[in-house]
Amino acid sequence: EVQLVESGGGLVQPGGSLRLSCAASGFTFSRNWMHWVRQTPGMGLVWVSRISNDGSSTTYADSVKGRFTISRDNAKNTLYLQMNSLRAEDTAVYYCTSSPYGGFLEYWGQGNLVTVSS
Amino acid sequence: DIQMTQSPSSLSASVGDRVTITCRASQSISSYFNWYQVKPGKAPKLMIYTASRLQSGVPSRFSGSGSGTDFTLTIRSLQPEDSATYYCQQSYSTPLTFGGGTKVEIK
Repeated sequence: EVQLVESGGGLVQPGGSLRLSCAASGFTFSRNWMHWVRQTPGMGLVWVSRISNDGSSTTYADSVKGRFTISRDNAKNTLYLQMNSLRAEDTAVYYCTSSPYGGFLEYWGQGNLVTVSS
Repeated sequence: DIQMTQSPSSLSASVGDRVTITCRASQSISSYFNWYQVKPGKAPKLMIYTASRLQSGVPSRFSGSGSGTDFTLTIRSLQPEDSATYYCQQSYSTPLTFGGGTKVEIK
């Protein structure tokens, strides 16, 4: 059974940092590109970032570029999102999701809530 | 960025009805297009990929069509478990972008 389990979310003050993790199992993690997608309360889905299967290529949405860093450890089957200089508008449920080659998003985690508030 | 315009934003239909949701891309995206189902508190689910390919495990009452800029998701005979919000998404170029969602309710 495929599982993507996010952790590391919570409440943080504006300007603070958080690191999200996503532990993968049930599929060949190292062959898949991985993404982070977020959903703000009552709003739709917004793509945040992606990383190639070997970690050599990363891409970010303009709204997080320079503040967020995506990374992966294929030996641990784990995806990360380091979030710095957090803003209120980063408040959202963050999903990790996989894609076979960077396109459609095949498997999704249950999501992890990040709240940025003083 | 490629904009995805989805319609309607919500609909209410009866069990057994045929339901159609449309999505338009702001430029041609060939068939780099996908549909997702999102239910509250659950992981989003890939339904259709590459415009018309049914993801494994998805009931055959779901189908997708289109290419270029105009795409359609059809639910042939609506079931109670289909109550959800459906999102379209382009995978032609980054940033990957989603439509605004269509909330499907059962009358």
